[in-house]
Amino acid sequence: DTAVSQTPKYLVTQMGNDKSIKCEQNLGHDTMYWYKQDSKKFLKIMFSYNNKELIINETVPNRFSPKSPDKAHLNLHINSLELGDSAVYFCASSQDRKHEQYFGPGTRLTVT
Amino acid sequence: SQQGEEDPQALSIQEGENATMNCSYKTSINNLQWYRQNSGRGLVHLILIRSNEREKHSGRLRVTLDTSKKSSSLLITASRAADTASYFCATFSNAGGTSYGKLTFGQGTILTVHP
Repeated sequence: DTAVSQTPKYLVTQMGNDKSIKCEQNLGHDTMYWYKQDSKKFLKIMFSYNNKELIINETVPNRFSPKSPDKAHLNLHINSLELGDSAVYFCASSQDRKHEQYFGPGTRLTVT
Repeated sequence: SQQGEEDPQALSIQEGENATMNCSYKTSINNLQWYRQNSGRGLVHLILIRSNEREKHSGRLRVTLDTSKKSSSLLITASRAADTASYFCATFSNAGGTSYGKLTFGQGTILTVHP
């Protein structure tokens, strides 16, 4: 009965590789998000989708590409991984952009 | 600098004591939200207060909002060891050129409650 799920939970990879993180929500929400949390716990929004449409695209390198196949899924693909990409990535969803957000458990990405 | 900044950065108290965390922000907001994050877990929404509200309660939580001072506080009464976590304030705003609006998080307060 998990509300927002992400896979994988841990991801260890080498520089230059390409990797994907998957997110699914079963709350029936219209809006989904990707956040990056750095080592100092600072949480910054990367992307937001509403009904499969990209509505927020912060200043993120174009190596990061979100894809929303349907309202319940929002995946994050990262090309040519760099050391600075190491962080915890959180997926979240909300019924409306102004409402409370429900977060997934996070994916800890380590680039070596 | 950030939209939301929490104060203090870390707070250590004994079980049963009250914990107060403050948050300041810079732009006009639609609402302000508080979240909790346990170590190694995702964020959990605690409470949302709209810009036209001044105070809100939820169980042992009390949130105040002063839009004239652009600040908010979160009070946890009768704290428990299980309240040990990081607490983040987040402001929802259309400011900064984002017509759709977005939630901007502060850096959080680390609360430790000793049994």
